[in-house]
Amino acid sequence: EADIYQTPRYLVIGTGKKITLECSQTMGHDKMYWYQQDPGMELHLIHYSYGVNSTEKGDLSSESTVSRIRTEHFPLTLESARPSHTSQYLCASSPSGDSPLHFGNGTRLTVT
Amino acid sequence: QKEVEQDPGPLSVPEGAIVSLNCTYSNSAFQYFMWYRQYSRKGPELLMYTYSSGNKEDGRFTAQVDKSSKYISLFIRDSQPSDSATYLCATPSGNTPLVFGKGTRLSVIA
Repeated sequence: EADIYQTPRYLVIGTGKKITLECSQTMGHDKMYWYQQDPGMELHLIHYSYGVNSTEKGDLSSESTVSRIRTEHFPLTLESARPSHTSQYLCASSPSGDSPLHFGNGTRLTVT
Repeated sequence: QKEVEQDPGPLSVPEGAIVSLNCTYSNSAFQYFMWYRQYSRKGPELLMYTYSSGNKEDGRFTAQVDKSSKYISLFIRDSQPSDSATYLCATPSGNTPLVFGKGTRLSVIA
């Protein structure tokens, strides 16, 4: 059973809307991550955080923003959704060090 | 050159076959290696986590690391249709997040 929760599971939204994808973990992990993954394609890191009030951009250029006000919560926001944002967004967390990541089951976003 | 290279497949095998999945990596400083399994429409889940060279076994799964050739492998014995998934190799890269391979899509045919 996953200890990292993503909501919503599926989202269909029109172009130009502001959306926030939620991610919460109950494991007390310091590190949290957002990945973007198109069907059958590789994972692309878009944002990560190593602790409260710490956020970094990943390898993939993204128009999204993140915040880390609480250890357990790492929401991702798109100010103005576009069809090019259609993808699966995966949140993950890990303890400090070189520990493995624990993934949520993702939010599948479709922008029409 | 990407830090971790993985053949995306797809790979299709009959039930009961031995499956070999492979990755190469470029940085000899990498010390930890992981294999994740991802079912369709799910997040990746950790399958195996190895540190040193050699083999690590867990049930039907064996992870092998050859640091001299920078090569990591995952073997699946007696493969089952339930093993059909995408398998991703990954390694921590210093203080940066995990570096993932592209993933190999495996189908086990009953």
